[in-house]
Amino acid sequence: QVQLQESGPGLVRPSETLSLTCTVSGGSTSSYYWSWIRQPPGKGLEWIGYVFNSGSTHYNPSLKSRVTISVDTSKNQVSLNLISVTVADTAVYYCARAPLSSGYDYWGQGTLVTVSS
Amino acid sequence: DIQMTQSPSSLSASVGDKVTITCRASLGISNYLAWYQQKPGKVPKLLISTASTLQSGVPSRFSGSGSGTDFSLTISSLQPEDVATYYCQNYNSAPWTFGQGTKVEIK
Repeated sequence: QVQLQESGPGLVRPSETLSLTCTVSGGSTSSYYWSWIRQPPGKGLEWIGYVFNSGSTHYNPSLKSRVTISVDTSKNQVSLNLISVTVADTAVYYCARAPLSSGYDYWGQGTLVTVSS
Repeated sequence: DIQMTQSPSSLSASVGDKVTITCRASLGISNYLAWYQQKPGKVPKLLISTASTLQSGVPSRFSGSGSGTDFSLTISSLQPEDVATYYCQNYNSAPWTFGQGTKVEIK
């Protein structure tokens, strides 16, 4: 059974960098799209971006200048870095997997990140 | 970028009613459309991929249809456990945008 587990700080100061890790168990990171998706409190889902096969990435244009998503196949981990955060980046952050030609079939449980001084 | 617009934004229906949610893409996305269900406080769950393919374990009262720009999710007989917010998502071309969500409640 594939499981995704997000980890990282729950509190980040404004202007600093938000860094999260998603550890994948029960399956490989190869040949899947690995994404980060966030959900501000009480709001809808916002797609942050994906990494595919360790090299190909695509990001939400609204976040592109601040975000990096990468995958470490040796550790079976997917990472998110978001620089220069503001209070608007406060959200539950989800890691999710999409097979080719499919929606996201596995999701992590989500981790709340609060941006506050 | 492709925009996904869902309607209605919320609805209230009785148990046993047929419920339909629509999703419109600003550009054609073939059938690269997914539907998710998110119950309060829970993780989104994939219901349907490729516009109409029901995921394993999803009740057969859920169905999806459409292609190109217009899609729909139908619940043939609404049950109390279907109370949730439903999202459509384009995965034809990045950015893989989500619709704004449709909140379904029981009348």
